[in-house]
Amino acid sequence: RKEVEQDPGPFNVPEGATVAFNCTYSNSASQSFFWYRQDCRKEPKLLMSVYSSGNEDGRFTAQLNRASQYISLLIRDSKLSDSATYLCVVNPKNSGYALNFGKGTSLLVTP
Amino acid sequence: DTAVSQTPKYLVTQMGNDKSIKCEQNLGHDTMYWYKQDSKKFLKIMFSYNNKELIINETVPNRFSPKSPDKAHLNLHINSLELGDSAVYFCASSQDSTGYEQYFGPGTRLTVT
Repeated sequence: RKEVEQDPGPFNVPEGATVAFNCTYSNSASQSFFWYRQDCRKEPKLLMSVYSSGNEDGRFTAQLNRASQYISLLIRDSKLSDSATYLCVVNPKNSGYALNFGKGTSLLVTP
Repeated sequence: DTAVSQTPKYLVTQMGNDKSIKCEQNLGHDTMYWYKQDSKKFLKIMFSYNNKELIINETVPNRFSPKSPDKAHLNLHINSLELGDSAVYFCASSQDSTGYEQYFGPGTRLTVT
């Protein structure tokens, strides 16, 4: 079983739509969780961290369910510029461990 | 100013050659990483250095050797290149070894022919 699993998509949505991505992780001891964004042929960039209580940043909402080992990202009012691959990322421990990346979910927002 | 820079951006070479990729960060971070992103877009950690000391060394062939002359630089040398080494190699850095918020370089696209 892969450590971080995501639906690869692609998700094709019209502008203004709401879209949700899900991710599951296998290591129950994981302590930090993130969503990164990667544009085509570019480097990954941190979109937002994911906290146990859930957190929001503008049109983006992230949720964490530790019991189910499940992370979600909700994007409201999609913009064309949201088109990218969204990487679910888990840090197994907070010391000396690198990030485990999911394969990413591809989003295409169309006019 | 570029936070994490890598050179070269593109590298095309023949099987059996030896090549190096350089990485520099001007963020004052303590920890640096090398990741490999293959054709299936899967991003996987290769190495991590914290203050010039190797702290992560994943299952990577011995042909790959990282070197950190100081905490702002982490280079990757690859001996006897193979077709399967073709990928995009990303350097990244973080404030410390907890890995929280990593900043990535633009990547080096390596093609082995």
